[in-house]
Amino acid sequence: SQTIHQWPATLVQPVGSPLSLECTVEGTSNPNLYWYRQAAGRGLQLLFYSVGIGQISSEVPQNLSASRPQDRQFILSSKKLLLSDSGFYLCAWSVETSDTGELFFGEGSRLTVL
Amino acid sequence: QKEVEQNSGPLSVPEGAIASLNCTYSDRGSQSFFWYRQYSGKSPELIMFIYSNGDKEDGRFTAQLNKASQYVSLLIRDSQPSDSATYLCAVPPRDNYGQNFVFGPGTRLSVLP
Repeated sequence: SQTIHQWPATLVQPVGSPLSLECTVEGTSNPNLYWYRQAAGRGLQLLFYSVGIGQISSEVPQNLSASRPQDRQFILSSKKLLLSDSGFYLCAWSVETSDTGELFFGEGSRLTVL
Repeated sequence: QKEVEQNSGPLSVPEGAIASLNCTYSDRGSQSFFWYRQYSGKSPELIMFIYSNGDKEDGRFTAQLNKASQYVSLLIRDSQPSDSATYLCAVPPRDNYGQNFVFGPGTRLSVLP
């Protein structure tokens, strides 16, 4: 069966520090991968999605970046965090060939920028 | 641009009652619809999807779709306190090729014991 893991689960970072969140998917190949952010009490905001290795599309211009160095690995990074980067970050995957196209989420990473 | 709207709530129902959650969408060409449940501090989990007009039942959950009215709903029968969560309505991309799932803002449901 397919599983998705992301880490770290929780982190507290000072303003201006770098960020790296990692996500891996197991049990499937060539998934579509996504990074979402959910601010406190807000809806899901798509940050990046990827349809293959090295292919990244950005939905929102900001100080975050994403990379996909391997088929089932998706990384979210920042060189300098802002206070507004605080939130709940969710990695998700879907299968291009799925009849229904459902989206599956990882456990999430809660980031607090101080 | 596709939009999905939901009442933010909170929707409060007594234990054992039917909870009715509603969602409207703007893209008339949308073919399928998803309902996710998100407990506080947790990630969303898929509970149902529907792509045909009418009703789809799964245990205590029933999804209802009316494409002519661009309306999809989720009914929860015999509501339990464990159903207290935020329910997200989502519309997937048409061609399932790395495009944006559009999520509604979610409706917070509170089931009172």
